[in-house]
Amino acid sequence: EADIYQTPRYLVIGTGKKITLECSQTMGHDKMYWYQQDPGMELHLIHYSYGVNSTEKGDLSSESTVSRIRTEHFPLTLESARPSHTSQYLCASSERWIAGPSSTDTQYFGPGTRLTVL
Amino acid sequence: SQKIEQNSEALNIQEGKTATLTCNYTNYSPAYLQWYRQDPGRGPVFLLLIRENEKEKRKERLKVTFDTTLKQSLFHITASQPADSATYLCALDRRSNYQLIWGAGTKLIIKP
Repeated sequence: EADIYQTPRYLVIGTGKKITLECSQTMGHDKMYWYQQDPGMELHLIHYSYGVNSTEKGDLSSESTVSRIRTEHFPLTLESARPSHTSQYLCASSERWIAGPSSTDTQYFGPGTRLTVL
Repeated sequence: SQKIEQNSEALNIQEGKTATLTCNYTNYSPAYLQWYRQDPGRGPVFLLLIRENEKEKRKERLKVTFDTTLKQSLFHITASQPADSATYLCALDRRSNYQLIWGAGTKLIIKP
């Protein structure tokens, strides 16, 4: 079982509210990710980080922001939630890697946060 | 653009039989491919990784093949059990930025 935690597991919130989804890992992994997944659909990368003070946007355009002040913590914030943000949000991490032909990116996932914006 | 295709229809298999899932990809040559299991309401769990220069990989009742000519990977579960029921995702590395791109998964149902 991977040591990566997400809170809350479920969140129902009204339009316009600011929310922060928490993600923490105790494995000392450098890379962390946020994905968005709708039922029956593939995972879409919205943010990732190579390490402390590193954040990058993923493929899926997102109005959310992230921060990486500590290795173990990678919170995602929505300043003003909208119904279109309703989805499952998954946090993942992977070990330190060195870019090259032998590198791999096996990811360990948290249980997810199911967000519903009314 | 890069695309991964997994059978969107659920696969129903009788307990004890071998389940075979397919992952096809286009417009891409990944260095490796991974298979994950996802249960309802949970995050994916890593199962197996196979590199481009490997034809086959095994782990207990699981077997993965990788055919870079056909651009296809097959995932087999032998002696299937109801507890194997889940959605199985394949993911390929994107060499350009070392991220993974994901298939939508195939739901596997093992009937007792």
